[in-house]
Amino acid sequence: VQLVESGGGMVQPGRSLRLSCAVSGFTLSGYAIHWVRQAPGKGLEWVAEISFDATKTYYLDSVEGRFTISRDDSNRTVNLQMNSLRAEDTAVYYCARQLGSFTAYFDHWGQGTLVTVSS
Amino acid sequence: AIRMTQSPSSLSASTGDRVTISCRASQEISTYLAWYQQKPGKAPKLLISATSTLQSGVPSRFSGSGSGTDFTLTINSLQSEDFATYYCQQYYGYPYTFGQGTKLEIK
Repeated sequence: VQLVESGGGMVQPGRSLRLSCAVSGFTLSGYAIHWVRQAPGKGLEWVAEISFDATKTYYLDSVEGRFTISRDDSNRTVNLQMNSLRAEDTAVYYCARQLGSFTAYFDHWGQGTLVTVSS
Repeated sequence: AIRMTQSPSSLSASTGDRVTISCRASQEISTYLAWYQQKPGKAPKLLISATSTLQSGVPSRFSGSGSGTDFTLTINSLQSEDFATYYCQQYYGYPYTFGQGTKLEIK
């Protein structure tokens, strides 16, 4: 099982960035996937979830309306489109696999990709 | 949102010691609690789910207990590789939330 994030970088406030999470070693269509972030020197913060069948998405209030999570099971990727970025969005963003159907704990994580929002 | 509060925020211990980390939820979460270990520059690693279910490959010196609002992670006979930061996470309801972390350092 492997998850690999990409797409991070430095961006100005108000601009957009698209993160991708490429998975291998398991069938993506069977699992909900989450994004969790960690600001520099801080703790973990859950950001978004997409259900195994893409019918449901959930977001942290502070990113609702700005971030969009999506999945492409055929290409084994989950994406996080981040618009109207703010300084407080600066963090390492991890994608993580939810193990159970109704129990959202995360058994495999990617290595993370750093997003820096700064002018 | 359900607030998760860990104590202590940091802890110094020696190899061979037994340590306990507490996690308190701001409301009832049944046993919908997980524990993670994170080392510097690395992704978190799942240790325990459903309050007390040890993940495959995790040493038996790790254990979890609790229910409702109060939970505990215990590490028996600390090994050098256990010095890390530990997080609890509730998955009872959205938004899923983590404790602020407990940094376990070598004394």
